[in-house]
Amino acid sequence: GENVEQHPSTLSVQEGDSAVIKCTYSDSASNYFPWYKQELGKRPQLIIDIRSNVGEKKDQRIAVTLNKTAKHFSLHITETQPEDSAVYFCAASINSGGYQKVTFGTGTKLQVIP
Amino acid sequence: NAGVTQTPKFRVLKTGQSMTLLCAQDMNHEYMYWYRQDPGMGLRLIHYSVGEGTTAKGEVPDGYNVSRLKKQNFLLGLESAAPSQTSVYFCATRATQAGEYEQYFGPGTRLTVT
Repeated sequence: GENVEQHPSTLSVQEGDSAVIKCTYSDSASNYFPWYKQELGKRPQLIIDIRSNVGEKKDQRIAVTLNKTAKHFSLHITETQPEDSAVYFCAASINSGGYQKVTFGTGTKLQVIP
Repeated sequence: NAGVTQTPKFRVLKTGQSMTLLCAQDMNHEYMYWYRQDPGMGLRLIHYSVGEGTTAKGEVPDGYNVSRLKKQNFLLGLESAAPSQTSVYFCATRATQAGEYEQYFGPGTRLTVT
């Protein structure tokens, strides 16, 4: 089955700096790659996603890049702010018999230091 | 419009006790999922349902049962709780329209088994 690895597990950056989180996946048939943000004690919420037919997507300070050949994708947050502090999860999704199976990474705890 | 709700929010069980977690949604989504979240392990799929009356096993189904008697409700049961089932449980839903892959999570249930 699909295996998703996420690095780093923790990341500290100064406010205003950029943060990059990287994920790799194993199944080349994966076609959808969402990123979720989870604040302490809260539910995961989708912040950005990318389909396999797109190489890059941007939404204000957040961008995601996908390299299908290397089977890795990354989350980029620019001009970080304290409210960006949270745990971020990547995921890879594959169509399995009509059902979209999602495998999550293990998460990255991002701390933005004011 | 409540979205996805879960009851209870917190629960403490003794080993061997049973309980049922309820996930309810008013989004008219066909797909519903139960995940567990443990430190350092991300979200792991327990069971899922692609529609009323259907259920299927996910990645870690042992020790759990589910039922989807109504489209809007997805129940997760623990027949004989074990300390290894101490976790935070999240329900999620997804629409079935082609290309709609985003999952919407409930607020979570924190379960402790002593």
